[in-house]
Amino acid sequence: AQKVTQAQTEISVVEKEDVTLDCVYETRDTTYYLFWYKQPPSGELVFLIRRNSFDEQNEISGRYSWNFQKSTSSFNFTITASQVVDSAVYFCALIPLLQGGSEKLVFGKGTKLTVNP
Amino acid sequence: DTGVSQDPRHKITKRGQNVTFRCDPISEHNRLYWYRQTLGQGPEFLTYFQNEAQLEKSRLLSDRFSAERPKGSFSTLEIQRTEQGDSAMYLCASSSSRDWVNTQYFGPGTRLTVL
Repeated sequence: AQKVTQAQTEISVVEKEDVTLDCVYETRDTTYYLFWYKQPPSGELVFLIRRNSFDEQNEISGRYSWNFQKSTSSFNFTITASQVVDSAVYFCALIPLLQGGSEKLVFGKGTKLTVNP
Repeated sequence: DTGVSQDPRHKITKRGQNVTFRCDPISEHNRLYWYRQTLGQGPEFLTYFQNEAQLEKSRLLSDRFSAERPKGSFSTLEIQRTEQGDSAMYLCASSSSRDWVNTQYFGPGTRLTVL
């Protein structure tokens, strides 16, 4: 089965704190893609990062960093020095390639992040 | 480069009425997806087009739902005889088959409320 679990439903932090959003995935495929999307209150899903299963290098983009570990099937997202504008729902998603065809995204339930001033 | 657009942004309708939503993908994207998102949940796949061909439909897509993509450009999603359970955000996404990682870019969504 293909599944993405985001165990943290809601997280609340104070501005400038670091915060890590957890993502654990399940797939039988050896080749798959992983994504993070941000959904601000306006509702539009904004693409943040993608990873393929062969690339376990961690990535840093400004205040954002991602830690991909195949051994634990995790793809965690860290925001350093959080800001109020980071407040949103964050979704982790998977495209398992064994399914073929559409390559549809399988989403987790999301983590709502609130950054308080 | 304009992003994915959806129209209308909000739709309120009475149970039993038909509604139609439109999605305009990013111009060079040949893949188009519809997803549905209910409160507190992640988006769930509904259907997929490559060019004008509808290649996959989810079991979530009952026979009251129909989607089209004439000429492989914009797409419409129609719901007939709406039910209160159809209330949700309907999201459209597009991507290019030349992107081997298939990054999907989403529109702002259409929020449907069925009274």
